[in-house]
Amino acid sequence: GQGVEQPAKLMSVEGTFARVNCTYSTSGFNGLSWYQQREGQAPVFLSYVVLDGLKDSGHFSTFLSRSNGYSYLLLTELQIKDSASYLCAVRPDSGYNKLTFGKGTVLLVSP
Amino acid sequence: NSKVIQTPRYLVKGQGQKAKMRCIPEKGHPVVFWYQQNKNNEFKFLINFQNQEVLQQIDMTEKRFSAECPSNSPCSLEIQSSEAGDSALYLCASSLQGTQYFGPGTRLLVL
Repeated sequence: GQGVEQPAKLMSVEGTFARVNCTYSTSGFNGLSWYQQREGQAPVFLSYVVLDGLKDSGHFSTFLSRSNGYSYLLLTELQIKDSASYLCAVRPDSGYNKLTFGKGTVLLVSP
Repeated sequence: NSKVIQTPRYLVKGQGQKAKMRCIPEKGHPVVFWYQQNKNNEFKFLINFQNQEVLQQIDMTEKRFSAECPSNSPCSLEIQSSEAGDSALYLCASSLQGTQYFGPGTRLLVL
């Protein structure tokens, strides 16, 4: 069916890395955004990808494979404060159309 | 990183009461979106505007909500008669070139 899927939870250790996966099946594709959301707060924009491959933005990197309907957000050198929910959102159509969101992956970083 | 302003941050209403929330989009962003995020972290698109014109809206919004984005005034979203199921976080986002930036949200509780 149509939608954006993410694992509900992910656990990792401070100083290591975490990869948050996202798969999507939508009527079209015009880009994918990643957001960080803390409890009770608004989503904070992290990255927008539209081309295949890896986009390195330092602490956060994103990968996209349009043919596989797959993206991931990679967080390196994890800190405790990286514990949050990470949302994947697909822009199915061109123009100013709504995003289709996944339910988010809650990342817990332990000491 | 977002300059979208939403007021109030919290809103408590009784069933049947009107509930109104406001949003000031980021300067220069031509499109404004409203989303509802429920307690299960699911996003529901409500309505979007380009300048003062409605681009898209869902059936529920058309029937139960009143929304506008006048020039030189904040955008607003008003529930005409609140229901318990309307309790949620209401997020406003403004958009430039496909990326949407969210405000802090208005958390509505309908008792």
